Amino acid sequence: EPEVTQTPSHQVTQMGQEVILRCVPISNHLYFYWYRQILGQKVEFLVSFYNNEISEKSEIFDDQFSVERPDGSNFTLKIRSTKLEDSAMYFCASSEQGRGNTIYFGEGSWLTVV
Amino acid sequence: AQSVTQLGSHVSVSEGALVLLRCNYSSSVPPYLFWYVQYPNQGLQLLLKYTSAATLVKGINGFEAEFKKSETSFHLTKPSAHMSDAAEYFCAVSVGGSSNTGKLIFGQGTTLQVKP
Repeated sequence: EPEVTQTPSHQVTQMGQEVILRCVPISNHLYFYWYRQILGQKVEFLVSFYNNEISEKSEIFDDQFSVERPDGSNFTLKIRSTKLEDSAMYFCASSEQGRGNTIYFGEGSWLTVV
Repeated sequence: AQSVTQLGSHVSVSEGALVLLRCNYSSSVPPYLFWYVQYPNQGLQLLLKYTSAATLVKGINGFEAEFKKSETSFHLTKPSAHMSDAAEYFCAVSVGGSSNTGKLIFGQGTTLQVKP
């Protein structure tokens, strides 16, 4: 069964450093997402990406964050100048279509900022 | 604005007992509703979804959920709990927005513990 894959599974970074989290969405999907889950809290929407541009973003997704689809398969989340509070599990997800379609999640990238 | 409330952050049942995980939603438009499960150290896996067809939705692993518009609820049930059902369960509503991206708004999650 096709799946969303994410790398790395776990990354530890120094505060202030830049981090890139990588994702390979399911191949025929058109919508791509990043969510995050701070330990003990709910899963939160960060950003959606469609037709090579951001279609929606949350208040969390400020100038510190950016997304890119550099080629036909990868979808990346860049976090500049990481802060302690960026420590979280980051989930990449994808869906064939928009609202109502099943969103498939990867296994997550656990980011620890020290 | 759409939102989801899961009643009970922790639910504990005995193996073989009924599982009932509660979810209430708020939506200004007909909702699309989902239940996801997260096993330890794994991603989110879809259990089932409601997209305005049958109000009783059957999912994987013997789970089902009933959409009740009058109660704005979408509770998840399973007749007989198995040890392997121990996990975190998330209810979510699909939000259209101006771009119709279908982003999900999640509830706080409910940890299901199954006792032998």
